[in-house]
Amino acid sequence: QSALTQPASVSGSPGQSITISCTGTSSDVGRYNYVSWYQQHPGKAPKLMIFDVSNRPSGVSSRFSGSKSGNTASLTISGLQAEDEADYYCSSYTSTSTSPFYVFGTGTKVTVL
Amino acid sequence: EVQLVQSGAEVKKPGESLKISCKGSGYSFIIYWIGWVRQMPGKGLEWMGIIYPGDSDTRYSPSFQGQVTISADKSIRTAYLQWSSLKASDTAMYYCAIARAGSYNFDYWGQGTLVTVSS
Repeated sequence: QSALTQPASVSGSPGQSITISCTGTSSDVGRYNYVSWYQQHPGKAPKLMIFDVSNRPSGVSSRFSGSKSGNTASLTISGLQAEDEADYYCSSYTSTSTSPFYVFGTGTKVTVL
Repeated sequence: EVQLVQSGAEVKKPGESLKISCKGSGYSFIIYWIGWVRQMPGKGLEWMGIIYPGDSDTRYSPSFQGQVTISADKSIRTAYLQWSSLKASDTAMYYCAIARAGSYNFDYWGQGTLVTVSS
């Protein structure tokens, strides 16, 4: 099972908006509305930011939003802040002929200029 | 408060066996799946497998099937990840994380266990 494809890096200035893409296939992102996004600061465990394509867990800033079109999901961070500098990973539920499971994206490093 | 507390860092030699643990608290242990995720040094997240402690239903990523064993003891609210013969390429940070039954996202994560395999 191949990883979902994300850009290696995305950058923006404080206050700007950035969007991270996550491209999969018709067996994962395109088939299920079970795309999640995780934020990981250096040396820390990942943190769930978005689930089921566009839902935010309690406590996550409304500056984070998710969407999906076809085989590509997206995470948008609006009003970029210094604390948003981190690695971001998408994930999708997927299924093959052998067993259902999950797949992560390749990861995107977000830099706040 | 939901907590997943993982066992401490390990340093092992190639060929040795290892079992690391993840103890959950603050939630209903048997209605959440517990998954394991590998992160090799400087690399991304890789989903390894998942277990449902309620009935021990276990699923593995094809990449890790046969390489590791995932188990759980619901009586002590603990999940395990084990290797029978470690390789240098198993050097990584390993995270446990939980997903509520019926959902497809990891809501909470452990702090990670660093496994170093070196001769």
